[in-house]
Amino acid sequence: GENVEQHPSTLSVQEGDSAVIKCTYSDSASNYFPWYKQELGKGPQLIIDIRSNVGEKKDQRIAVTLNKTAKHFSLHITETQPEDSAVYFCAAAVMEYGNKLVFGAGTILRVKS
Amino acid sequence: ETGVTQSPTHLIKTRGQQVTLRCSSQSGHNTVSWYQQALGQGPQFIFQYYREEENGRGNFPPRFSGLQFPNYSSELNVNALELDDSALYLCASSLSVMNTEAFFGQGTRLTVV
Repeated sequence: GENVEQHPSTLSVQEGDSAVIKCTYSDSASNYFPWYKQELGKGPQLIIDIRSNVGEKKDQRIAVTLNKTAKHFSLHITETQPEDSAVYFCAAAVMEYGNKLVFGAGTILRVKS
Repeated sequence: ETGVTQSPTHLIKTRGQQVTLRCSSQSGHNTVSWYQQALGQGPQFIFQYYREEENGRGNFPPRFSGLQFPNYSSELNVNALELDDSALYLCASSLSVMNTEAFFGQGTRLTVV
């Protein structure tokens, strides 16, 4: 089955700096890669996703890149703000088999002001 | 707000008891998935329901069971509770069974003592 590894487990950045979180996956059939942000006491919130027919996708300060050959994808947050502090999860799925997500272990992002 | 609501928000049960958790999916969404999130870990897929039928199951024992109703709301039932069942249980709804994003509720925090 699919296995998703996520690094780093914790990341501290200064406000205004960029943050990068990386994930690798094992199943070459996976074709959908969402990123979720989870704040304390809340459920995961979808912040951006990418499908395997695209190499990069941007949404304001957030971008995701995908390298299908190397089986890895990354989340980039620019101009970080204190409200970006949360736990971020990457996930992978085969969309045609139903959106059954396999998650990474998560990255705790702390943005220091 | 995703429009996915779960009840109750918190629950304490004794080992060996049974528990039922409930989820109302986002309006128009016919697919519901359940995940277990242990402390400090990423969510793990339990099972998925599509139009009242189970559509895939993760690596969870049969004492984890579910239902989906004609209005697409769903229940997760766990029998013979064990201490390791203590976790945040998340429900995610999708517009359809494939090719669509998953939106999570706030979760139910289950503590087994």
